[in-house]
Amino acid sequence: GENVEQHPSTLSVQEGDSAVIKCTYSDSASNYFPWYKQELGKRPQLIIDIRSNVGEKKDQRIAVTLNKTAKHFSLHITETQPEDSAVYFCAASINSGYALNFGKGTSLLVTP
Amino acid sequence: EPEVTQTPSHQVTQMGQEVILRCVPISNHLYFYWYRQILGQKVEFLFSFYNNEISEKSEIFDDQFSVERPDGSNFTLKIRSTKLEDSAMYFCASSPTMTRTRNGYTFGSGTRLTVV
Repeated sequence: GENVEQHPSTLSVQEGDSAVIKCTYSDSASNYFPWYKQELGKRPQLIIDIRSNVGEKKDQRIAVTLNKTAKHFSLHITETQPEDSAVYFCAASINSGYALNFGKGTSLLVTP
Repeated sequence: EPEVTQTPSHQVTQMGQEVILRCVPISNHLYFYWYRQILGQKVEFLFSFYNNEISEKSEIFDDQFSVERPDGSNFTLKIRSTKLEDSAMYFCASSPTMTRTRNGYTFGSGTRLTVV
């Protein structure tokens, strides 16, 4: 089955700096890659997703890049703010109607 | 914005008892899912449900679990003979048809199950 690896497990940045979280996946059939933000005790919330026919997608301060050949995808957050502090999960799936295979999460701390 | 609703928010049960977790998916979504998250760990897929049957399930989803759709809106997960290691946050989720190209899953706020 699909195996999603996520790094780093913790990341601490200063407010205003950029943060990058990387994930790799094993199943070449995967073609849907969402990123979720989870604040303590709350539900995962979709922040951005990308499909395999696209190499990069941006939404304001958040961007995701996908390298399907190398089977890795990354989340980039620019101009980080303290409210970006949360656990971020990457996931991979064959399609949005199928099981999501999650990475182990990255705990991001943005210090003022 | 439409939401996935889960009840109860917290359930405490004694080991060996049965629990029922309830979910109301978004009304025009066709795919439904249950995931669990043990404290401090990643979110794990349990199973997906489409067209009134389980369409995909993980190795976690064994005979201890069952699912029902008692009416057109509610969606329940039953866990029999609960064990201490069943303690986790259980998330229900729903998604539109596979042909949609935007908006992936919407997760509910979760039910925290504590087995004592």
